[in-house]
Order: sequence, then C-alpha cells, then structure tokens
Amino acid sequence: AQSVTQPDIHITVSEGASLELRCNYSYGATPYLFWYVQSPGQGLQLLLKYFSGDTLVQGIKGFEAEFKRSQSSFNLRKPSVHWSDAAEYFCAVGPPGDDKIIFGKGTRLHILP
Amino acid sequence: NAGVTQTPKFQVLKTGQSMTLQCAQDMNHNSMYWYRQDPGMGLRLIYYSASEGTTDKGEVPNGYNVSRLNKREFSLRLESAAPSQTSVYFCASSEVRAGTGELFFGEGSRLTVL
Repeated sequence: AQSVTQPDIHITVSEGASLELRCNYSYGATPYLFWYVQSPGQGLQLLLKYFSGDTLVQGIKGFEAEFKRSQSSFNLRKPSVHWSDAAEYFCAVGPPGDDKIIFGKGTRLHILP
Repeated sequence: NAGVTQTPKFQVLKTGQSMTLQCAQDMNHNSMYWYRQDPGMGLRLIYYSASEGTTDKGEVPNGYNVSRLNKREFSLRLESAAPSQTSVYFCASSEVRAGTGELFFGEGSRLTVL
C-alpha cells in the first residue's frame, strides 16, 4: 500500500534562510508526487508536482523539489524564505493510472523575523 | 467560475444524528474525493470516485457512505455521527490520470459532533 511520510512536524527558520522540507514515500513504482501549501485559515494550493521526466521540478512562489528514486524522496526546497511562507506544507502521492491520492501529516513552517 | 462548491460550511450535530455533505464541481473532472483534516493528522482520504458510477474506499472509510450522483456531484453521508467524526471535511476534484494531476479543493466544511 502506498504511504507518505513527512518526518518533521514543525520547522522553524529565520527569514532569508534556506529551507528544505522532507517527504518520503512508499510505493512499488514511481508515483505521482505533489506538494501543497495551506496558509492559516486558507484552502490548499498546489506548489508543484512530479509525474515523470526531469527530477528537479520548479513550482510557484520560488519553490522547487527534487525526486530521488534511490531514496524514495521528494524534498521541497526554497533558497530564501519570506515571512509569508509561514504555513503548513503537505506532500502527497498517487499511483500512476490510479486516482487514489494520499497526503502526509504535514510540516508546519514557522518563520523567525 | 465556482470550481468546487461544498455545503454546508458549518454544521453542529448531536451524537447519532445523520447528515449529508454535498459537493459539486464545474470543471468536468472525472475524479472526485472526500478528505478529512484533523490537527496533526494531515488530510486523510475517506472515499474517492474515479468516474461517474464508481466509488472506492480510502484510508478512513468507516462510518461514512458516499454517492457519486453524476459527474458533477459527490456527496458524503454520516449515518450516525460520532464525536470522532468532528473534523474539517474537504471535497476535491481532479484529472489525475489525464496528467494534469492537480487537486482542486472546496473551501471545507467544519463539522462538530457533540
């Protein structure tokens, strides 16, 4: 069965510092991979997705993620965070050819001024 | 262009009462989903529907039933509500297999079961 793990429940970084949020998945083949963001009191917004091809994916708001098959990981990165990036981030996976998309438990990002 | 519309947005129930959450999308998507969001648990998939006439269990289906009424509408029913079902429920739609992949979410329905 597919599963997705976000090992960090909370992460705190200083404004302007770099960021990496971890995501590991368990699935036999390469799944579809997503990162979503949920700002306080808001809905979920897609940051980026990976289906196939180039393993480094660019998304919105300056985010990128790298798919590493050998590590079953899809970590989210940003070179310099802004106070507005404070939110909860969710990694999601879905098997190719299926519609079952499941989410990790999320990582809440706090930004220090 | 409404996207995904859920009703009601808020509901308070007593234990044992029943209710139905309604969801409709106007993007002509084949796939629709119901998730629940609880603090520290992320979004957990309750049921999903790959196409009109089909439904499948997700991660936490117990205590829920769904109906894919037509391509646009996907309802979630709680037959006998329990306090453990207090949550925020999100409906979503997508065209995952077509390769676009993005889930489009409704605004959520906050349900409290007393």
